[in-house]
This record gives sequence, structure tokens and C-alpha cells, in this order.
Amino acid sequence: DAGVTQSPTHLIKTRGQQVTLRCSPKSGHDTVSWYQQALGQGPQFIFQYYEEEERQRGNFPDRFSGHQFPNYSSELNVNALLLGDSALYLCASSFLPRVPGELFFGEGSRLTVL
Amino acid sequence: GENVEQHPSTLSVQEGDSAVIKCTYSDSASNYFPWYKQELGKRPQLIIDIRSNVGEKKDQRIAVTLNKTAKHFSLHITETQPEDSAVYFCAASGNAGNMLTFGGGTRLMVKP
Repeated sequence: DAGVTQSPTHLIKTRGQQVTLRCSPKSGHDTVSWYQQALGQGPQFIFQYYEEEERQRGNFPDRFSGHQFPNYSSELNVNALLLGDSALYLCASSFLPRVPGELFFGEGSRLTVL
Repeated sequence: GENVEQHPSTLSVQEGDSAVIKCTYSDSASNYFPWYKQELGKRPQLIIDIRSNVGEKKDQRIAVTLNKTAKHFSLHITETQPEDSAVYFCAASGNAGNMLTFGGGTRLMVKP
């Protein structure tokens, strides 16, 4: 049973560019959440997708957008990259967003903005 | 919104000793409190969780206690081993689905 898979694992971009990160949830899961983890800090919630709609959003600007596909996979898009966007981006999947429960994390995509 | 504070930020113990990490939260509506372990370069992995209807939960060498009145919860690791060395994160989640608010993390170092 494959867990949460993310791609790419590492990428380098320059300021002002755009990036797309991808996530496939754990088998049987229908909800995908994205977190940003800056170096030495705890993950911060970006947004959550369920039934192809954004259900919850954290304190992140509109430069951060996402999408969920019918097969439950998801993309995170960041436009107009800033140096401060450098971080590990974690995707987490779960089942039934209304019930607090275990989130299964992927290994993350490490983004470096130069 | 929810705010989770975690202490200490670093903790060094001798192998075999106990380790305690403490967290406080601000939103009284929070009802789910997981602990994640993150090894260097790896994904966070759930090690134990507790819901607001219980005060304590144990799983072998790991235990979590919850005091809803004081809005704090703690992770206890007994008989620590070198492989326990990692960064540990507490988190809280309320009625607004399973969006987690994480603490800042504790780097635990277990010296052999």
C-alpha cells in the first residue's frame, strides 16, 4: 500500500518564478492538506482540499493556490516566488475532513528560492 | 486562531532516562492532540495521539497526558534509546476539521 507520494523531491527556483508541487494521497484517503515547514520550525497549514474544493485555508497569501483532481491527487501552486517561500512543502492525506484524526505525511518537496 | 507553544526547544538526556515535552494551546474548542516524530530529512510520523475525552494514553514507552482545564498536554518517553533522537512536534485540532496547528518542535538528543 503506497503512502503519500510527492514530487519533485527537490527544486530550485529564482525570485518571481512560479512553481507547481504534486501530491498523491494514501490509498483510500479523500482529503489532502498542504503544509509549509520552514527550517527549524513546525509545519504551518496552507490549505485543505476535499471533493475538489478548497475547504479550509491558513494565513497564506493568494499567491498560494491549489487544486484537487477527481482521483484525489492534488497540486500546490506558488506564484511570484519570494526568498521567504524557501521551505519544505508537506502534503498530508486523511479521510473525512470533519473528523480530527491522523494525517499521513509525504516526504515533502524542498523548495529553494534564490 | 489556535496557538500552540512547545517547550523545551532542545532536550538532551542520557540513554535510559526519561524525557518530557510540554505543550500549551489557546483554543478551548480543540479536541484532538497528536504528537509527531520527524527524523532528519524525513516526513513527520504520528507516534501517539489523544482526544479530549481522556486524560492519559500509553503505548509502550510513550505516554501522553492532557489537562483540558489548564489547556496543556505533555509527551513522556521512558527508557529513552538513541533511536528516539529526533524532532518531536505537538499539534492541536478543533472542530473545524482536522487542520493541525503545530508547536515549534523539540529536538531530543539521547546520548548513549
